[in-house]
Amino acid sequence: EVQLVETGGGLVRPGSSLKLSCATSGFTFSNTWMNWVRQAPGKGLEWVALIKDKYSNYEANYAESVKGRFTISRDDSKSRVYLQMNTLRDQDTATYYCTRRGYGDYWGQGVMVTVSS
Amino acid sequence: DIQMTQSPPSLSASLGDKVTITCQASQNINKYIAWYQQKPGKAPRQLIRYTSTLVSGTPSRFSGSGSGRDYSFSISNVESEDIASYYCLQYDNLPWTFGGGTKLELK
Repeated sequence: EVQLVETGGGLVRPGSSLKLSCATSGFTFSNTWMNWVRQAPGKGLEWVALIKDKYSNYEANYAESVKGRFTISRDDSKSRVYLQMNTLRDQDTATYYCTRRGYGDYWGQGVMVTVSS
Repeated sequence: DIQMTQSPPSLSASLGDKVTITCQASQNINKYIAWYQQKPGKAPRQLIRYTSTLVSGTPSRFSGSGSGRDYSFSISNVESEDIASYYCLQYDNLPWTFGGGTKLELK
């Protein structure tokens, strides 16, 4: 059974940092592209970042809104994907989901990140 | 970036109705569109990918079609469990982009 479990959310001040983690199981993680998608309260879905697999040299791509502030990474030995979020802004407040494959066939339950002073 | 224009933003239907949601891409997305259902407080669930391929477990009353820039998603015989928000996603070109969503309510 495919499972994605996000952790690491919380309440932080503007300008601070936070690192999200997504633990996966039930599939071959090492050859799977992984995404982060977020959803601000009461709003729609926004794709945030993608990390490709080793066969694509772990290429990372980002939404313009987070480029230069967020870094996606992965640890194939632990079947985990991460999202390092720096210089957080109020507008980054959202539920963050990790999703599998380019087309997001499986989603985690999400983790809430609140950026507020 | 490819813009996905989803309509309508909201939809009111009676049980048993057929409803259709559309997504228009700002350029050809070569059928690389997926559709998701999201219920309040829950993570989205993929229903359809590559325009019309039903994901395992998706009821047959859901369907998708389209090509080029124009795509549609339909629910025939709406059931109470279908009350949710629906989103399209293009995954042809990075950055992936979602439509704005459609909230389906009971009339």
